[in-house]
Amino acid sequence: DGGITQSPKYLFRKEGQNVTLSCEQNLNHDAMYWYRQDPGQGLRLIYYSQIVNDFQKGDIAEGYSVSREKKESFPLTVTSAQKNPTAFYLCASNLFSGLANTGELFFGEGSRLTVL
Amino acid sequence: GIQVEQSPPDLILQEGANSTLRCNFSDSVNNLQWFHQNPWGQLINLFYIPSGTKQNGRLSATTVATERYSLLYISSSQTTDSGVYFCAVERSANAGGTSYGKLTFGQGTILTVHP
Repeated sequence: DGGITQSPKYLFRKEGQNVTLSCEQNLNHDAMYWYRQDPGQGLRLIYYSQIVNDFQKGDIAEGYSVSREKKESFPLTVTSAQKNPTAFYLCASNLFSGLANTGELFFGEGSRLTVL
Repeated sequence: GIQVEQSPPDLILQEGANSTLRCNFSDSVNNLQWFHQNPWGQLINLFYIPSGTKQNGRLSATTVATERYSLLYISSSQTTDSGVYFCAVERSANAGGTSYGKLTFGQGTILTVHP
């Protein structure tokens, strides 16, 4: 089945450690996104990538890094520089085709990171 | 940036009741989506509706882009409708209306449906 797979679903880490969250999609979508959700809040955009080997900062990129070496994969690293890393992280994708893009996003099931 | 306000923040219903959720936004948009977040956190796409009206079973949505609001209607609510409903928009980036999928989310409406 086509979809967006995030792993791990739950992750516990000690303060000061870097962690990498995986996001893989088999929808043949061009664009991929990382959002962060804090309790009782809406989602905020961290990074996005519209094409392989290119990505842009979103609204809250500080303390995060990404790579886009393959169309299917868009891993997010939460670095020790992120001051409040405990959150729910959601990956999304859409079929970006420039002027014809509808922009409709589809989300994975999320990864819940807790920093102790 | 664009502001997105959802109302009401909380809504409690008895099973079978109807409800209307509202989303106001502060600028022109070329992308508007409604999502339902289930208790496990997954966001389920309900509607992609930058303008016009759509219906899907007991749910329907209307966006009046010129007046900068969207409404989500839930009829004959069921306990499985419980969860958080989010409206998300993307400001029109240029005259061509290209959407880049960079959504700004509202704070959500928490819906609880009792049996």
